[in-house]
Amino acid sequence: KAGVTQTPRYLIKTRGQQVTLSCSPISGHRSVSWYQQTPGQGLQFLFEYFSETQRNKGNFPGRFSGRQFSNSRSEMNVSTLELGDSALYLCASSGDRGYSEQYFGPGTRLTVT
Amino acid sequence: QKEVEQNSGPLSVPEGAIASLNCTYSDRVSQSFFWYRQYSGKSPELIMSIYSNGDKEDGRFTAQLNKASQYVSLLIRDSQPSDSATYLCAVNEKGGATNKLIFGTGTLLAVQP
Repeated sequence: KAGVTQTPRYLIKTRGQQVTLSCSPISGHRSVSWYQQTPGQGLQFLFEYFSETQRNKGNFPGRFSGRQFSNSRSEMNVSTLELGDSALYLCASSGDRGYSEQYFGPGTRLTVT
Repeated sequence: QKEVEQNSGPLSVPEGAIASLNCTYSDRVSQSFFWYRQYSGKSPELIMSIYSNGDKEDGRFTAQLNKASQYVSLLIRDSQPSDSATYLCAVNEKGGATNKLIFGTGTLLAVQP
């Protein structure tokens, strides 16, 4: 089975711009969660999508948004980028149950200058 | 009090020894617990999941869970230099209604040849 894929792997953006990241989960998985990892804050939950619906949301500003398509692929968008948004953005794929094991993709490294 | 706490390390053990990694959590209703390994510059890799009190063994890895003490640990037997990485403890939030994971800050393990 193919693993979780994320594109692009690296991004450099300027403050004020917006960015869209993409994630394709493991085949058959309908839940996609997004996390932000920074040296200072560690791994923090952004949101989870299941069957095209946002099932849970973390404590991030409204500039962070996401969506999920009917094929379970998910995108997250960050608008009006700030320097502090520089991070590794990770997507995790899991099965239907709320306590399922989550498998991470390779991540997208975003640098905001 | 942080929701999931780990000793940041580094934890240094000689090759062939047992490495013991510990994690405490604050949410008593948590039902699922995970250990991830993260090599520098890579994404987290799931190595163990545990849902019931007691021990769960998988190869050289043993996860231990004590819900009464709100404590989960990971033992790595016959440690190898390739085990050198950051180990992240993750707890499913609020009993697992969704896939939101709360992560500890991770313990850096260094296995000395």
